[in-house]
Amino acid sequence: DVKVTQSSRYLVKRTGEKVFLECVQDMDHENMFWYRQDPGLGLRLIYFSYDVKMKEKGDIPEGYSVSREKKERFSLILESASTNQTSMYLCASSSPKTGGNEQFFGPGTRLTVL
Amino acid sequence: QQPVQSPQAVILREGEDAVINCSSSKALYSVHWYRQKHGEAPVFLMILLKGGEQKGHEKISASFNEKKQQSSLYLTASQLSYSGTYFCGTEIKNRDDKIIFGKGTRLHILP
Repeated sequence: DVKVTQSSRYLVKRTGEKVFLECVQDMDHENMFWYRQDPGLGLRLIYFSYDVKMKEKGDIPEGYSVSREKKERFSLILESASTNQTSMYLCASSSPKTGGNEQFFGPGTRLTVL
Repeated sequence: QQPVQSPQAVILREGEDAVINCSSSKALYSVHWYRQKHGEAPVFLMILLKGGEQKGHEKISASFNEKKQQSSLYLTASQLSYSGTYFCGTEIKNRDDKIIFGKGTRLHILP
């Protein structure tokens, strides 16, 4: 089974802090994604990556950056956390080699910025 | 660009049927369907590729009308375990790899 893990289930930070959210997948997937999920807004794509050291902006990249130094790890960085970044953050991975290109999600990190 | 899902929420009694719709303003290569139970991660249900095929997964099936850029998810004889939020996700082109998700449809099954 594909396993996608995220470093924390719950995180509380203060405004202005630098925040790192880590995601690791164990199935050698090429693609990795970061979403945020807010009530009534669904899953919105922040950034994604097709390969190591590659990154692409999603629909809401402002205030975020990412890093992918190794194939299995994709990090989301909030350079200076703000209260409007309080949300559930979901990481996912996929591979075009699996046929359907379905995405496998991690359990999520609920981030609260005070 | 975000696909539009309807209805936003559905309440059913166990054994009843439901249909969830997903429509896009763009030409689609594929439509994905996912279900997220409360407090859990979204889980992949099925993918429909351009070609208008219909797929099934237990008592859950879906269709894709590529001319109308619409997909529908059919849940027949719903079970309590079907409760959750259903998301459709769309790909614009082959090997796009990026999926744009709708806002979700909350489904609540009553005993």
